Amino acid sequence: QKEVEQDPGPLSVPEGAIVSLNCTYSNSAFQYFMWYRQYSRKGPELLMYTYSSGNKEDGRFTAQVDKSSKYISLFIRDSQPSDSATYLCAFHSQGGSEKLVFGKGTKLTVNP
Amino acid sequence: GAGVSQSPRYKVAKRGQDVALRCDPISGHVSLFWYQQALGQGPEFLTYFQNEAQLDKSGLPSDRFFAERPEGSVSTLKIQRTQQEDSAVYLCASSYGQGRDYGYTFGSGTRLTVV
Repeated sequence: QKEVEQDPGPLSVPEGAIVSLNCTYSNSAFQYFMWYRQYSRKGPELLMYTYSSGNKEDGRFTAQVDKSSKYISLFIRDSQPSDSATYLCAFHSQGGSEKLVFGKGTKLTVNP
Repeated sequence: GAGVSQSPRYKVAKRGQDVALRCDPISGHVSLFWYQQALGQGPEFLTYFQNEAQLDKSGLPSDRFFAERPEGSVSTLKIQRTQQEDSAVYLCASSYGQGRDYGYTFGSGTRLTVV
């Protein structure tokens, strides 16, 4: 079983749609949960970061963590063409290596 | 500078050639990371520095890969005798302290193509 599973898509939605992106993980040591956005030919940029189960909201973005199910989600409301990018989930262990473990990324296209 | 700077942006190497990739982190950032991103994949960890000390090199795929950060600022990733499977984007990231507390800032990467 891979440490992180993320559906690579691609996902294509009309402008204004609600987008749901998901990752599952198997490593119980993961305690920090992140979503990165990566535009074409750019490096990943941090979008959302949380370390507890529950929801965290920032503007049109909501990150959801369910530690008991080892499942995290990112919701994008009122999606815009500028949201078209690859979305990567990333995980960090408590007290272990400093490294991030990434999912494969989901490529999202929002059509005007 | 304002962000993490990587050079060159693109590199084409003939198989067997040695390459050196440079990373200029954000000034004052003590942590520096190298990641490898193959086409259609997420970034994979290569190595981590805290100042000039290389604290984790568990992700380096072979002894052909070598990284250094001699003065605790600029870092170089060197790949000897490049192979086609080394073709990827090499990303550098830096953080003020521990990444989980301060977040990571990534550069735009160096796209290496081995022909």
